Amino acid sequence: GENVEQHPSTLSVQEGDSAVIKCTYSDSASNYFPWYKQELGKRPQLIIDIRSNVGEKKDQRIAVTLNKTAKHFSLHITETQPEDSAVYFCAASKGSARQLTFGSGTQLTVLP
Amino acid sequence: NAGVMQNPRHLVRRRGQEARLRCSPMKGHSHVYWYRQLPEEGLKFMVYLQKENIIDESGMPKERFSAEFPKEGPSILRIQQVVRGDSAAYFCASSAGAAKTGELFFGEGSRLTVL
Repeated sequence: GENVEQHPSTLSVQEGDSAVIKCTYSDSASNYFPWYKQELGKRPQLIIDIRSNVGEKKDQRIAVTLNKTAKHFSLHITETQPEDSAVYFCAASKGSARQLTFGSGTQLTVLP
Repeated sequence: NAGVMQNPRHLVRRRGQEARLRCSPMKGHSHVYWYRQLPEEGLKFMVYLQKENIIDESGMPKERFSAEFPKEGPSILRIQQVVRGDSAAYFCASSAGAAKTGELFFGEGSRLTVL
């Protein structure tokens, strides 16, 4: 089955700096890669996603890049703010199904 | 349009008791997914259901765990004879359909504590 690895497990940045979180996946058939943000005690919320026919997608301060050949994708957050502090999960799925395989999460802390 | 509704939000059970967690998908959604999140870990897929059908239960433990999504009413995740290792947050998610390109919408989760 699919295996998704995520790095780093913790990341601290100064407010205003950029943060990058990286994930690799094992199943070349995976074609949908969402990123979720989970605040403490809350539900995971989708912040951005990318499909395998696209190499990059951007939404304001958040961008995701996908390298299908290398089977890795990354989340980029620019101009970080304290409210960006949360756990971020990458995930992958394939085909028409929506069962997601999640990475282990990255605890992002934005220091004021 | 209400989101995915889960109840109870918190459930405490003693070892050996049964836990029942309920999930009502978003209006118009017919696909339900259950995930388990152990403390400080990622979400692990458990089961994927459509109305009256289990589509994929590859992530479900073989014993004590069962799930259903009846024609009427919410989806239910049932854990029999709970053990301390079952303590976790159980998240339900729904989607409009496997063929659609929409995202998974998660509920707020049900946090099970086994004493």
